[in-house]
Formats: sequence, C-alpha cells, structure tokens
Amino acid sequence: EAGVAQSPRYKIIEKRQSVAFWCNPISGHATLYWYQQILGQGPKLLIQFQNNGVVDDSQLPKDRFSAERLKGVDSTLKIQPAKLEDSAVYLCASRKRELDNEQFFGPGTRLTVL
Amino acid sequence: GDSVTQMEGPVTLSEEAFLTINCTYTATGYPSLFWYVQYPGEGLQLLLKATKADDKGSNKGFEATYRKETTSFHLEKGSVQVSDSAVYFCALSSNSGYSTLTFGKGTMLLVSP
Repeated sequence: EAGVAQSPRYKIIEKRQSVAFWCNPISGHATLYWYQQILGQGPKLLIQFQNNGVVDDSQLPKDRFSAERLKGVDSTLKIQPAKLEDSAVYLCASRKRELDNEQFFGPGTRLTVL
Repeated sequence: GDSVTQMEGPVTLSEEAFLTINCTYTATGYPSLFWYVQYPGEGLQLLLKATKADDKGSNKGFEATYRKETTSFHLEKGSVQVSDSAVYFCALSSNSGYSTLTFGKGTMLLVSP
C-alpha cells in the first residue's frame, strides 16, 4: 500500500510571495490533516477534512492560509502572502475511518521564507 | 484543552544503554496515547500506541504503559542502538469521532557507538 505523498519536498520563497503544497493521502482514507511543524516543536494541526468537507480549521490563519480537498481525495494548502514565521515543515496525514484513530504521515514539505 | 509534556532533550546515550523518555498528559475523558518517531529527513512514523488505561504498547523493543493514575505514558527501551537516534514525539488523541492529535515538543535521542 502506497503511503501519503507530498510535494514539493523543499521550497524556498521570499516573504510576501505565495506558495502551494500538495498532498495525496492513502487510497480509501476519508480523513486528511495538514499540520505545521516549526523547528524544535511538535506538529500543530492546521486543518482537518472529512472527505471533501472541513471538520476543524480553528487553528488555520485564514487571512493568509487556505486549503481545499476537491473530490475528497488529494488536497492543496496555500499560503498567500508568506511571512518569515511561516518557515516550517508542513505535514499531511490521513486516517482511514472515524473509529480508527491512527494517522499516517507523509514526508512533509520544508518551507523556508527569506 | 489537551496538552502533552515531554522531557527536554537531547538525550545522549551509549549503545546498549537503557532509555526512558518521560511523557505526561492533560486531557478530558479517556484519550488514546501514541509515540511517534521522526528519523532525520523523514516524516513521522507511529512507533506504538495504547488506547485504554493499563494497556502496554510495544514495537521494535520499545514499550510504554498507559498510566491513568499518573497521566503518564513513558517510553522505554532496554538496550538502544545507534539506529534509534531520532526525535520521539508523545501524542494523544481524544476518542471523539473526528479526533485530532495533540503532540508534545519532541525529544531528540542521540546514541553513540
């Protein structure tokens, strides 16, 4: 079974530019998560999807971050405009069904904002 | 809200030494508890989990016991290897339908030959 795929693996941009990250979850996994992991800290949830609907986006800075999961499969996370403090690893994870609380993580995208 | 506290690292050990990484949590109800490991340049991998009090999760020689009375889930391994060098994250998940993970800050383990 293929794992969670993410691209790109690395991205360097200047502040005020925009950037997008892509995630393809494990086939059949209904729930998809985006986490932000700042260096030296644990991952922090940004947004959670159940199929193509948003379940929890309370921690998403909506003035600059947006995410979508069209058709309930892959997802994109966008930052526009980026700030220096957005430098982090962005992790995507998926989970098969509601009663299964194990999440599977992708390799992450490391974003550097200069 | 839910929170997880881990001991700060780095933890530096020699090969074959005994490992303990402390983890305590604050949560309402009866969360599930997890240890994830992150090797350099890789994503998070589930190492072990426990879903109810007194459960012991184990994998690859690592083990942790869900202690509700002390709200702890300490990670242990009897004899570490150089290949165990990584960052270890303790996490909890509430057992509601759309449960999310709350992570600790992570503990770096460095094992020398």
